[in-house]
Amino acid sequence: EAQVTQNPRYLITVTGKKLTVTCSQNMNHEYMSWYRQDPGLGLRQIYYSMNVEVTDKGDVPEGYKVSRKEKRNFPLILESPSPNQTSLYFCASSPRLATHYEQYFGPGTRLTVT
Amino acid sequence: ILNVEQSPQSLHVQEGDSTNFTCSFPSSNFYALHWYRWETAKSPEALFVMTLNGDEKKKGRISATLNTKEGYSYLYIKGSQPEDSATYLCASAGANDMRFGAGTRLTVKP
Repeated sequence: EAQVTQNPRYLITVTGKKLTVTCSQNMNHEYMSWYRQDPGLGLRQIYYSMNVEVTDKGDVPEGYKVSRKEKRNFPLILESPSPNQTSLYFCASSPRLATHYEQYFGPGTRLTVT
Repeated sequence: ILNVEQSPQSLHVQEGDSTNFTCSFPSSNFYALHWYRWETAKSPEALFVMTLNGDEKKKGRISATLNTKEGYSYLYIKGSQPEDSATYLCASAGANDMRFGAGTRLTVKP
């Protein structure tokens, strides 16, 4: 089954404790992206990747890192999480540039930083 | 920063009503306009990807139009059903990035 998976689905952590949210897709998509969703703000793009080893900042990259060492995986790293990173996070992928192709979203990761 | 605006923020309609929402986006540097349907506790799912001025797309009772010159898109739902209750997101796609509106939350009452 074609899908985007994220882990964990739920995470409660404390300020400053490094964490990684994994994202994997099995559709051989080149483009992958991370978003955060906050009430009233819609989805905001954190980072995106056009292909392996090619990543770039979205609108809200501060406090996050990503890597794209393999085509299928695009982990989101929070080196020192803070309470303002409490949010719902979605990973998404599409065949190539997002412009003409729909994005496929993972199930979401709800992160709480205390 | 390019802003994508959606209106209304929320909408309550009766089963059988037809309804529509608006998405406005900067018309400069336009590449594509996406519509997604997002049900509670699920992931957003694509409805339409539109690229050409004057584009009209239809999927069942849902249709969308696109005006790239003035920077707006309309989503229409004909004969709303309770299962249409969801948040409808639009996104303006640039060369590499995507910018989403805050969504229109639709509630259809039986």
